[in-house]
Order: sequence, then C-alpha cells, then structure tokens
Amino acid sequence: EAQVTQNPRYLITVTGKKLTVTCSQNMNHEYMSWYRQDPGLGLRQIYYSMNVEVTDKGDVPEGYKVSRKEKRNFPLILESPSPNQTSLYFCASSLYRGLSEAFFGQGTRLTVV
Amino acid sequence: AQKVTQAQTEISVVEKEDVTLDCVYETRDTTYYLFWYKQPPSGELVFLIRRNSFDEQNEISGRYSWNFQKSTSSFNFTITASQVVDSAVYFCALSEADSGNTGKLIFGQGTTLQVKP
Repeated sequence: EAQVTQNPRYLITVTGKKLTVTCSQNMNHEYMSWYRQDPGLGLRQIYYSMNVEVTDKGDVPEGYKVSRKEKRNFPLILESPSPNQTSLYFCASSLYRGLSEAFFGQGTRLTVV
Repeated sequence: AQKVTQAQTEISVVEKEDVTLDCVYETRDTTYYLFWYKQPPSGELVFLIRRNSFDEQNEISGRYSWNFQKSTSSFNFTITASQVVDSAVYFCALSEADSGNTGKLIFGQGTTLQVKP
C-alpha cells in the first residue's frame, strides 16, 4: 500500500529538548516536504527536498532542520524546541513537485511545554 | 503574491442539504494547479481533486462537484445531498508551476463543515 509514515503521532516535550520526527515513504517519490498546521493559518511549508541531499527552506523554516540521506526518509529535527513550535506537523511526498497529488502522513501533534 | 482564501471559516448544514465551499486564489503564474483536500476528525489529509490552469471543465464525482472559473480566480467545491460523514475541514491549495517552482502547496485557511443529522 502506498503510504507516508510519520512517527510519533503524538509527542509532548519540554522546551530545549532536541527531538526528531521521522517520515518515510514507499512510493519512490523524489519530492518530499514538511508542513505545519495551525488554526486559522492552514498549512505552511517548513522545508522541502527535491531529491537526495537536496533540501531547501519553505516559508517557516526557523527552528527546524531536515536531512535527506535516503530517498525514502525525510526526518524533521527540532534542535531546541520552543512553545511556539507547538503544532500539528505533516510530512508529504509527491511524484512531481507541486504538479501531482501530494500524499500526506498521518500527522504528528507536538506540544512543547 | 500567491495566496489562497477560503472566506468561510465554518459552515453548518443539515443532512441532505447542498453546500458550496468557496476558494479564491491569487497567482501571477499562467501554469498552476489547484487542489482540494479533506481533513476528517481523525486528522489525516485526504486528496480529493487536482485541476490544472488550462482545464476549466467542471468536474463531478458522485456527490462532489467542482467549479473552476479563471475569470474570477475561483475553484469552488459543492457537496450535493450532504451526509454526516462529510463533516470535516476542507482545504483548497494552489501550486505554481512556472519558473521558480518549488513544489510548495499554498493552502487556504480551511473551512470546517459540520453536517448535522
């Protein structure tokens, strides 16, 4: 089954404690991205990757890092989380960047206290 | 600047009513794609439709239909004979395909649809 898998689904952490949200896709897609969803703002892109070792900032990259060492994996790293990063996060992958359907992971609800 | 506006924050209807969700977009690109996604209470994002800027034909899929009008920069979504299972947040999104295309989806704020029995 074609899917994007994110882990964990829920996470409560404390300010400053480094965390990683994993994302893996099994569709051999080149394009992957991370979004955060906040009430009243819709989803906003954090980072994207057009291929292995190629990543770039989206609209709200501050406080986040990503890596793309393998085609299937695109982890999101928060080196020093802060309460304003409390949000719902989605990983997505697509066959053709922006031109084809994006497949989204199940979402990760992060709370930073 | 690119932008997607879903002016209706929340809509509440009674089952079997028809409902239209509005989406207005702004872009300078001549080639672009429009999408609708559904987010049910379980939280995942479900793809509903993709339309490119050169295809203004309306689309119907069961109880769902979409009206794309370039003249008004709108891509509205209608649910006919709504059902309780249609209750969800619906997002309209834009992707620009001209030079500088980063693949980013630009989302509207979302419309929460509640269908009451």
